[in-house]
Amino acid sequence: ETGVTQTPRHLVMGMTNKKSLKCEQHLGHNAMYWYKQSAKKPLELMFVYSLEERVENNSVPSRFSPECPNSSHLFLHLHTLQPEDSALYLCASSQQTGDSPLHFGNGTRLTVT
Amino acid sequence: GDSVTQMEGPVTLSEEAFLTINCTYTATGYPSLFWYVQYPGEGLQLLLKATKADDKGSNKGFEATYRKETTSFHLEKGSVQVSDSAVYFCALSKGQAGTALIFGKGTTLSVSS
Repeated sequence: ETGVTQTPRHLVMGMTNKKSLKCEQHLGHNAMYWYKQSAKKPLELMFVYSLEERVENNSVPSRFSPECPNSSHLFLHLHTLQPEDSALYLCASSQQTGDSPLHFGNGTRLTVT
Repeated sequence: GDSVTQMEGPVTLSEEAFLTINCTYTATGYPSLFWYVQYPGEGLQLLLKATKADDKGSNKGFEATYRKETTSFHLEKGSVQVSDSAVYFCALSKGQAGTALIFGKGTTLSVSS
């Protein structure tokens, strides 16, 4: 049990589908993050939320849409994805942004067909 | 911009061998430095950290020293075990509100018995 739970663990979707990734943390943290992990590339920070407000958006395509309804939950809504979006999507949380250690979930393995 | 460079993997060692994984960084100011580990099928876990020059982080037999003069944070372990097989990520943080960790590409370690 990592304290950060991601669902589903695996997702296969077509390019015209709409799906959502869910992340939940039970650590009492105030910041949550989405990272994309692709083979042979550094982890790519996608979105940062602090106290439920988005504080960073690293030029992510609009086909990815985050939502943070409260400090314990984070969603990533997906629509009209491309095959190159196939990757492991990792959610993380921390006490606050900055240099607080991140606690990661086990990720959602996304395959876009 | 700020960045982290890790040695290319994979690193393949026999059990009880000495491990070094090189990490250098580029950043203005005084970042905090981290090593994270990712075991197969899991998210990243914090392994150790150092927040100022000459600090040594250590955990589970691993250690790394923050060297500002060489902008390095190399990971070492005196005697690796098969269970240490994983992907290791070096990361830095500027410690500013609203920012998140910047990761390297990761180095895969494979230890055989």
